[in-house]
Amino acid sequence: ETGVTQTPRHLVMGMTNKKSLKCEQHLGHNAMYWYKQSAKKPLELMFVYNFKEQTENNSVPSRFSPECPNSSHLFLHLHTLQPEDSALYLCASSPTSNQPQHFGDGTRLSIL
Amino acid sequence: QQPVQSPQAVILREGEDAVINCSSSKALYSVHWYRQKHGEAPVFLMILLKGGEQKGHEKISASFNEKKQQSSLYLTASQLSYSGTYFCGTGPSGNTGKLIFGQGTTLQVKP
Repeated sequence: ETGVTQTPRHLVMGMTNKKSLKCEQHLGHNAMYWYKQSAKKPLELMFVYNFKEQTENNSVPSRFSPECPNSSHLFLHLHTLQPEDSALYLCASSPTSNQPQHFGDGTRLSIL
Repeated sequence: QQPVQSPQAVILREGEDAVINCSSSKALYSVHWYRQKHGEAPVFLMILLKGGEQKGHEKISASFNEKKQQSSLYLTASQLSYSGTYFCGTGPSGNTGKLIFGQGTTLQVKP
């Protein structure tokens, strides 16, 4: 139990589907992050939220839409994805930015 | 922008030592180290926030050479549990939380 819970753990979707990934943390942290991890590639930061405000968008395509309704929850809304978007999507949180990050187990996404 | 880790992979016998380097072409303000085992989430090891800072955690320690724009992770008397992929993440100045990770170093410790 890492304190950061991601659901679902696995997701298979077609390119025209709309789905959402959910991340929840019970650590009292104020910063939350989305990362993409593809095979044989480094962890790629996608978005950063500090105190519910988005502070980083790492040039992510608009087919990925994050939402942070409160400091404990983070969503990643997906629509019209491409096959190259298949990857492990990891959520992380930290007390504030630039402090140790606690990662969830990730959602394994496959685009058909 | 992405820091470069070396070596890419290393195989050790239990009890042997290893050093993993993380080098950046840009000025470093902070360095995070994480370990990820296959099929698991990355786990935080340590963070270095000042040039020249060294930290230790049991038999794992790290240094941060601001002038060389480099950080090194030292694993001494390695154990089987040390196996995994080690990532360094470098942070910009300020507190945006933006980390850029290296490509990872795969460490395998054999009995």
